[in-house]
Amino acid sequence: DTAVSQTPKYLVTQMGNDKSIKCEQNLGHDTMYWYKQDSKKFLKIMFSYNNKELIINETVPNRFSPKSPDKAHLNLHINSLELGDSAVYFCASSQTDLNYGYTFGSGTRLTVV
Amino acid sequence: RKEVEQDPGPFNVPEGATVAFNCTYSNSASQSFFWYRQDCRKEPKLLMSVYSSGNEDGRFTAQLNRASQYISLLIRDSKLSDSATYLCVVTQGTSYGKLTFGQGTILTVHP
Repeated sequence: DTAVSQTPKYLVTQMGNDKSIKCEQNLGHDTMYWYKQDSKKFLKIMFSYNNKELIINETVPNRFSPKSPDKAHLNLHINSLELGDSAVYFCASSQTDLNYGYTFGSGTRLTVV
Repeated sequence: RKEVEQDPGPFNVPEGATVAFNCTYSNSASQSFFWYRQDCRKEPKLLMSVYSSGNEDGRFTAQLNRASQYISLLIRDSKLSDSATYLCVVTQGTSYGKLTFGQGTILTVHP
């Protein structure tokens, strides 16, 4: 039973399209995150939600819009995709106490052509 | 200056070797520290937390020096299966804050 699951695993799309990535966790965690890992392998936080409320919003183009319908789900919608959006997007969740670290989903490899 | 800095390597070591990775962080307010492991084309997975007194988990030993803002990971008796990227991670808070990741250090263990 997957703890943090995200779909799709791979996404290839043309510039200008709109796409969504879905994430669900069954760990009972209160906090969920989206991270982006670029071609240089840096993992950078994009957004964080705690109990459906946005608590972290890093400098991300407003073409990226997260949505959390409940604390077990955090989806990411991307409008007007650009070549530079190509990356691996990881969803993660954690307990409120960060001493236990994060649990990551398996990632969505997005390629914009 | 990057918030978390690591030597990207790669480190190429034979099986059975001992290898050490270092990491420095810039924010003296950092409170929690971790080492994560990421296999090729996989998600990062928590390897171990790092405590001020130092801690050990089998062949892995982590150390923290708050005064020097320095974290280390020692792997003894390296196995082929230890080949991965090792990510140094810090967080400023202890509740629903962000984890800040280093670039990672690539380790390859060869026969």
